[in-house]
Amino acid sequence: AQSVTQPDIHITVSEGASLELRCNYSYGATPYLFWYVQSPGQGLQLLLKYFSGDTLVQGIKGFEAEFKRSQSSFNLRKPSVHWSDAAEYFCAVATLTGGGNKLTFGTGTQLKVEL
Amino acid sequence: DAMVIQNPRYQVTQFGKPVTLSCSQTLNHNVMYWYQQKSSQAPKLLFHYYDKDFNNEADTPDNFQSRRPNTSFCFLDIRSPGLGDAAMYLCATSRAPGAGGYEQYFGPGTRLTVT
Repeated sequence: AQSVTQPDIHITVSEGASLELRCNYSYGATPYLFWYVQSPGQGLQLLLKYFSGDTLVQGIKGFEAEFKRSQSSFNLRKPSVHWSDAAEYFCAVATLTGGGNKLTFGTGTQLKVEL
Repeated sequence: DAMVIQNPRYQVTQFGKPVTLSCSQTLNHNVMYWYQQKSSQAPKLLFHYYDKDFNNEADTPDNFQSRRPNTSFCFLDIRSPGLGDAAMYLCATSRAPGAGGYEQYFGPGTRLTVT
């Protein structure tokens, strides 16, 4: 069965510092991978996605992620964090089911930004 | 702007009193999903509709039901809410995977409190 692991529950970075959030997946075929961000009390906003092709994908808000099949990883990065980036970040993998697709999420990484 | 709308944003119900949560979409997507997200946890898929076809997750309790009267609307019914059903309920939509619809678009969620 597919699964997603986010090893870091909490991460604190200083504003302006670089950021990397880790994500490892377990999936037999080519995975469809996503990063979502969730602010407190809000829904999930899609940051970026990987389906195929270029393994470095660009997303919104200056985020990027790199798919590494050999490491089963899809880490999220940002060169310079802004205070407004403080939120919870979820990595997810999609699997086809019943005419739709099921997102299996990691447990999330809570990002705190120090001013 | 095309979007996913959830009403109400906050719902308080009494233990055992049926409650209905509403989701509507202007994206004209074929697939609509309901997720449950408990505090500090990842969202968990309850069920989804592909057009009028209902797809239940194996571990979704019978207490949870859903209706989709038309393309735009989908409802989550909790027949006899227990204290353990207090959570954020997220509605999401996607195009059919055959049409390249792997990413899901989320509404802002309904926070359910059970007293």
